[in-house]
Amino acid sequence: DGGITQSPKYLFRKEGQNVTLSCEQNLNHDAMYWYRQDPGQGLRLIYYSQIVNDFQKGDIAEGYSVSREKKESFPLTVTSAQKNPTAFYLCASSTGTELYEQYFGPGTRLTVT
Amino acid sequence: RKEVEQDPGPFNVPEGATVAFNCTYSNSASQSFFWYRQDCRKEPKLLMSVYSSGNEDGRFTAQLNRASQYISLLIRDSKLSDSATYLCVVNVGSSASKIIFGSGTRLSIRP
Repeated sequence: DGGITQSPKYLFRKEGQNVTLSCEQNLNHDAMYWYRQDPGQGLRLIYYSQIVNDFQKGDIAEGYSVSREKKESFPLTVTSAQKNPTAFYLCASSTGTELYEQYFGPGTRLTVT
Repeated sequence: RKEVEQDPGPFNVPEGATVAFNCTYSNSASQSFFWYRQDCRKEPKLLMSVYSSGNEDGRFTAQLNRASQYISLLIRDSKLSDSATYLCVVNVGSSASKIIFGSGTRLSIRP
């Protein structure tokens, strides 16, 4: 089955700790994205990558970091510098063509206390 | 003005009814348009892309009105399982960073 997996589904951390969220896809998509969703709000782009070893900041990149060493994988690190890290994090991928139809993983719900 | 705006709802309609909602966008250069469905505490799932000529997929019809800068989604013969939040997504440029999500319209179908 082709798709996008994210792990873990729920994550709890203490303030001041860095945490890495996993995202893997076997759709052979070139482009991958990380979004954050807060209650009652639209998705906001954190980082995106259109090819391996290259990534770009989105609208809210501060306090986050990513890597894209393999086409299939695009992990997101939430650092202690992120002021309000508690949120629903969604990873997506697309073929990277002009149309940009995106397919999402099941998400990771991060709670920082 | 927000780049992509949707009526948050909720729209509460009886089963079997027809319901429609719109999404307006501010950038006239917007290039591609989509409707996604998101169930509570789940990921968004692509419902349909919206083509210039309009398109239909079963009970769902999407339309694009470039002159007035909005897209619409029509659901006929609504089912209880259609209850969800519907997200309008607009690609306002030629870059992946220009994909803008609306905040969504909540739809609740009652028996």
